[in-house]
Amino acid sequence: GENVEQHPSTLSVQEGDSAVIKCTYSDSASNYFPWYKQELGKRPQLIIDIRSNVGEKKDQRIAVTLNKTAKHFSLHITETQPEDSAVYFCAASRAAGNKLTFGGGTRVLVKP
Amino acid sequence: NAGVTQTPKFRVLKTGQSMTLLCAQDMNHEYMYWYRQDPGMGLRLIHYSVGEGTTAKGEVPDGYNVSRLKKQNFLLGLESAAPSQTSVYFCASRYQGYGYTFGSGTRLTVV
Repeated sequence: GENVEQHPSTLSVQEGDSAVIKCTYSDSASNYFPWYKQELGKRPQLIIDIRSNVGEKKDQRIAVTLNKTAKHFSLHITETQPEDSAVYFCAASRAAGNKLTFGGGTRVLVKP
Repeated sequence: NAGVTQTPKFRVLKTGQSMTLLCAQDMNHEYMYWYRQDPGMGLRLIHYSVGEGTTAKGEVPDGYNVSRLKKQNFLLGLESAAPSQTSVYFCASRYQGYGYTFGSGTRLTVV
């Protein structure tokens, strides 16, 4: 089955700097890659996703890139703000798959 | 449109007691899931369903049972609660090929 590894497990950045989280996946048939943000005590919420027919997608200060050949994808957060502090999860699945496979999560702390 | 609703939000059980967690979605999603999340940990899949009347085991199914008698509802049962089942439980639903919508979670403590 699919295996998703996520790095780093913790990330501390200064407000205004950029943050990058990387994930690798094992199933070459995976073609859907969402990212979730989970604030303390809250539910995970979808913040951005990308499909394998696209190499990059942006939404304001966040962007995701995908390298199908290397089987890795990354989340980029620019101009970080304290409200970006949260745990971020990457995930992967096939289009016809039954479920998402999640990475282990990255705890991001933005220091003012 | 409420999305995914979980009840109850909090519960304290004594060891050996049973309970049922209810998940309801109003988005007509075919797929539904139950996850547990322990403090500082990731999401672990307990059971899931790909349609009304179907269920399947995830990675940590022991000690739990599920039922999906109606498309909009997915029930998670604990027959004999153990302290190791103290956790936050999240329900989620999705259309095939899209991301999950999560419920707000149930915080369960077993003493």
